[in-house]
Amino acid sequence: QVQLVESGGGVVQPGRSLRLSCAASGFSFSDCVMHWVRQAPGKGLEWVAIISYDGSNKYYGDSVKGRFTISRDNSKNTLSLQMNSLRAEDTAVYYCAKGPRVVTAIRFDSWGQGTLVTVSS
Amino acid sequence: QSALTQPASVSGSPGQSITISCTGTSSDVGGYNYVSWYQQHPGKAPKLMIYDVSNRPSGISNRFSGSKSGNTASLTISGLQAEDEADYYCCSYTNRDTLVVFGGGTKLTVL
Repeated sequence: QVQLVESGGGVVQPGRSLRLSCAASGFSFSDCVMHWVRQAPGKGLEWVAIISYDGSNKYYGDSVKGRFTISRDNSKNTLSLQMNSLRAEDTAVYYCAKGPRVVTAIRFDSWGQGTLVTVSS
Repeated sequence: QSALTQPASVSGSPGQSITISCTGTSSDVGGYNYVSWYQQHPGKAPKLMIYDVSNRPSGISNRFSGSKSGNTASLTISGLQAEDEADYYCCSYTNRDTLVVFGGGTKLTVL
C-alpha cells in the first residue's frame, strides 16, 4: 500500500536552514504530483508547495516563496523540501502528500505521518 | 485568514445529518471542479474523504457526500457516528499564483 515517510524535522534557530525528506513506496512515484502541506500547532492546514511528476513545474505558497525549494528524485522515490531563512512562524508539522498526475487536479490522496519543525532560539 | 470560508464548528446527534459549507470565489471553488475534503482526528494525518467536488475514494463510506453550488461547496455526513467527530477541511485549486487554497477547518462534534 501507499507509504510516505517524512524525516528531517527538529529544532532550528531563526534564520537557519533545514532539509526535509519524504520516502515514498507502494505506488508509481514518478507518475504522481507531490506536495508539502504544513500545520502549525493548534492551527489549520496550509499548503506549502507542489512539484509535477517529472519535476519540471513547481509552485509555492505565498508565505514560503523565495525561501523554500521543493525537489524530487524519481530514481530514489524521494521528495525533498529545502527550507532557508526559517522564521518562528514556520514552526509546524510538515506533511508530504501525493496527488494525481495532473498538477491542476488538486487533491491529496495519501499523507505521511508528518515531521515537526520547531524554529526557536 | 483562510482563502476559503468554513464554519468554525458544527454539531449533531448520532444518526442525524450535518452539512459543512466551504465558500470561495469564482477563482477557486466556483470556477473549477477540484474541490476536496479532508477529515483529521487529533494527532493524526488528514484523510481524503471527497475529491473533485463529489467523488469518494475507495473505502470511504457512502455516508459522506459532496456537492457544489456557485462559489460554495458542501460536505454532508449522514447517519452521524461517534467516530465522525473530527476536524474537516475543504481545499480547492485556484487560478491565482498560489494554486491551492484551504479552508480554515470545521470542528464537528457528535453530541
